[in-house]
Amino acid sequence: QVQLVQSGAEVKKPGASVKVSCKASGYTFTSYDINWVRQATGQGLEWMGWMNPNSGHTGYTQKFQGRVTMTRSTSINTAYMELSSLRSEDTAVYYCARSGSYRGLNSYWGQGTLVTVSS
Amino acid sequence: IVLTQSPGTLSLSPGERATLSCRASQSVSSTYLAWYQQRSGQAPRLLIYGASSRATGIPDRFSGSESGTDFTLTISRLEPEDFAVYYCQQSDSSPWTFGQGTKVEIK
Repeated sequence: QVQLVQSGAEVKKPGASVKVSCKASGYTFTSYDINWVRQATGQGLEWMGWMNPNSGHTGYTQKFQGRVTMTRSTSINTAYMELSSLRSEDTAVYYCARSGSYRGLNSYWGQGTLVTVSS
Repeated sequence: IVLTQSPGTLSLSPGERATLSCRASQSVSSTYLAWYQQRSGQAPRLLIYGASSRATGIPDRFSGSESGTDFTLTISRLEPEDFAVYYCQQSDSSPWTFGQGTKVEIK
């Protein structure tokens, strides 16, 4: 079965960077995009961007351009999302999701990673 | 594209019918409209894709429909596990966007 297992919770200081991992199993990793979505506490879902694990091509929402980097390691079926210049407003749960039959569809989700930004 | 969901909260009893709306600020191809369910403390789960196709394992009490720029998620008879927050999402036009969510709560 398809599984996405994310790394554990992080606490970071303002200005620092965080790198969240997402290990995929149960399917061919390079066959589907990995999307990243975040959710601040008590808030809705916010799209961050996508990555094609086969080509490494990425697409980022303008809001995060210049601060986010999505990468992968095909040898270990793992995707990464790094967010830099953290501020308190970046405190949120970060989800990876595998795409599906069309672009942008989030067919399977990781369990989420809580990133807390606090001085 | 802004997706506006209504109502913000829906208070219903188990066994009742729930009708959730998602209105797009501009045209969205039904091919690229999805609905997700998020139970408290859990990750979202895909319910409906392509506006009306149920995802694998989703019960047939969930259905989706479209009329122009208006999309609807219907739960025919609410089960206890259906009380949750529901989001619509479009990936027709970048940046892909989510609605703000509709909470279905027990009356």
